[in-house]
Amino acid sequence: EVQLLESGGGLVQPGGSLRLSCVASGFTFSTYALSWVRQAPGKGLEWVSIIYSAGHSTYYADSVKGRFTISRDNSKNTLYLQMNSLRAEDTAVYYCAKGEYDSGKYYPGWGQGTLVTVSS
Amino acid sequence: EIVMTQSPATLSVSPGERATLSCRASQSVSSNVAWYQQKPGQAPRLLIYDASTRATGIAARFSGSGSGTEFTLTISSLQSEDFAAYYCQQYSNWPPLTFGGGTKVEIK
Repeated sequence: EVQLLESGGGLVQPGGSLRLSCVASGFTFSTYALSWVRQAPGKGLEWVSIIYSAGHSTYYADSVKGRFTISRDNSKNTLYLQMNSLRAEDTAVYYCAKGEYDSGKYYPGWGQGTLVTVSS
Repeated sequence: EIVMTQSPATLSVSPGERATLSCRASQSVSSNVAWYQQKPGQAPRLLIYDASTRATGIAARFSGSGSGTEFTLTISSLQSEDFAAYYCQQYSNWPPLTFGGGTKVEIK
């Protein structure tokens, strides 16, 4: 059974930093693309970033480019999202999502999410 | 960036009735569309990919159709567990992957 468990969310002041983690199990972590997808309170889904299996290729939404960094440690089955220069509009539940194979086009597996609140 | 527009925003349906949800792309995305279901407080669940292929374990009452710019998710006979929000997503021209704004299916 695929399991994705996010952690690291919390309350942070504007301009602050936070690192999210997502520990995976139940599949061969090193062969799948993974994304972060977020959902602001009461709003829809927004794709944030993707990293491919070997970790060398990454892409970002314009809204987070230059502020967020996605990475992975295949030896620890863990995905990360380093978030810097946080803004109020980054407040959301952040989901870790497992792509279908290594293309990351759509997402059969999701974690339960971790809430990030940016507020003074 | 491809914009996905879903309609209606809210759909009121009685249990046992058919529900038809629409999703329109701002430019052709071929058949590169997925649909997700999300219940309150839960993560999204993949229902459909490649516009019409049901994901593993998804009930046959869920079906997807369309290509190009117009897509439809149909729930043939609504069950109590189907009342939820539904999102379409394109993966034809990305990054970025883009989602529609969602349709909430509520009990009439």
